[in-house]
Amino acid sequence: EADIYQTPRYLVIGTGKKITLECSQTMGHDKMYWYQQDPGMELHLIHYSYGVNSTEKGDLSSESTVSRIRTEHFPLTLESARPSHTSQYLCASSEPGAGRPQHFGDGTRLSIL
Amino acid sequence: EDKVVQSPLSLVVHEGDTVTLNCSYEVTNFRSLLWYKQEKKAPTFLFMLTSSGIEKKSGRLSSILDKKELFSILNITATQTGDSAVYLCAVESGGSQGNLIFGKGTKLSVKP
Repeated sequence: EADIYQTPRYLVIGTGKKITLECSQTMGHDKMYWYQQDPGMELHLIHYSYGVNSTEKGDLSSESTVSRIRTEHFPLTLESARPSHTSQYLCASSEPGAGRPQHFGDGTRLSIL
Repeated sequence: EDKVVQSPLSLVVHEGDTVTLNCSYEVTNFRSLLWYKQEKKAPTFLFMLTSSGIEKKSGRLSSILDKKELFSILNITATQTGDSAVYLCAVESGGSQGNLIFGKGTKLSVKP
């Protein structure tokens, strides 16, 4: 069983607020990811990290930012939330290298009013 | 552009039926293909396939990859209501820094 945790599970908040979605893993994985998933749609990679102090933008443009100060922690921040940010956000981690499956957290379902 | 296409997008069957889910792909420098099961929350890992023709099996689920025709199938035999979920196919390619490209998923509903 993968040990990757996301908080909060659900968040309903007003426009303009600053939001941080938390993601932590206890497996010591170097590589971590953030995905955005809308209902009935595929997962889109928005950020990833190869390790501490590494952050990269994914395939889908996002107004969010991420940081990787510790191996186990990969938070995602929205400075000023808008209704277009309403979505499910999934965090994942994997060991580095090819052929390593990603393990996912339970996700944060975000609704911006 | 790399892409992964799953079919059908949704499927309704009755308990005991056998189902086959399809995943085709076009990617640069294929590395592996993965299947995940997503219920209410986190996608859970099912299989990783890297070689053609070698079946991976876990209980009633099995999967096989055809690298020549660029597709994979996921079979579920004797389906149960607990198999109801979205099944995601993802491909790891060298062209995407080793990141995964996901299909839209197949939503499987198993009726009692």
